[in-house]
Amino acid sequence: AQTVTQSQPEMSVQEAETVTLSCTYDTSENNYYLFWYKQPPSRQMILVIRQEAYKQQNATENRFSVNFQKAAKSFSLKISDSQLGDTAMYFCAFWREKLTFGTGTRLTIIP
Amino acid sequence: GAVVSQHPSRVICKSGTSVKIECRSLDFQATTMFWYRQFPKQSLMLMATSNEGSKATYEQGVEKDKFLINHASLTLSTLTVTSAHPEDSSFYICSARPRTGRGEKLFFGSGTQLSVL
Repeated sequence: AQTVTQSQPEMSVQEAETVTLSCTYDTSENNYYLFWYKQPPSRQMILVIRQEAYKQQNATENRFSVNFQKAAKSFSLKISDSQLGDTAMYFCAFWREKLTFGTGTRLTIIP
Repeated sequence: GAVVSQHPSRVICKSGTSVKIECRSLDFQATTMFWYRQFPKQSLMLMATSNEGSKATYEQGVEKDKFLINHASLTLSTLTVTSAHPEDSSFYICSARPRTGRGEKLFFGSGTQLSVL
């Protein structure tokens, strides 16, 4: 079974600064997908970014980028120029026929 | 983008009653729907996977007789919490996997907060 670990339960950063959220996972599979989801207070799950394991190039989506290290089974999320609207729970997730979520990181952006 | 509608958004019921939660894919057909449970300040835990026209597959530790899942069509899956008790109070979320396109792309409902008195 796959496991996903997020070692930072909570983080806070000043507005406009950069923050990196950590995620590691364990799997014996070679082909899979990794995701970062955002869950704001509304609790709607919002897809932030997706990475295909067979692609070496790190995914980017505007201010969001990942550092995918397949050998190390590491998948961190970098948020640049952080905004107040980025305040939310962030979940790292592993997909191989089903989604396995990490425990989440509560991110607070301070004005 | 694709829309998944989940109803009700909030339900309060008495202990011992049953509650049905609906998950509909509005503009696409979903071969597979997933049901998750989220306790306060915790992560989403997969409860079961439902495929259209077949029995749901439950994760270990999830009582299939308590959490009845029906996926009768390509656009609708329902979760029925039978004989609900206060410990069943939780946030329930569904997600749907489109029949076409890439299988790893899921779309989430907005969730249902169940409170059992």
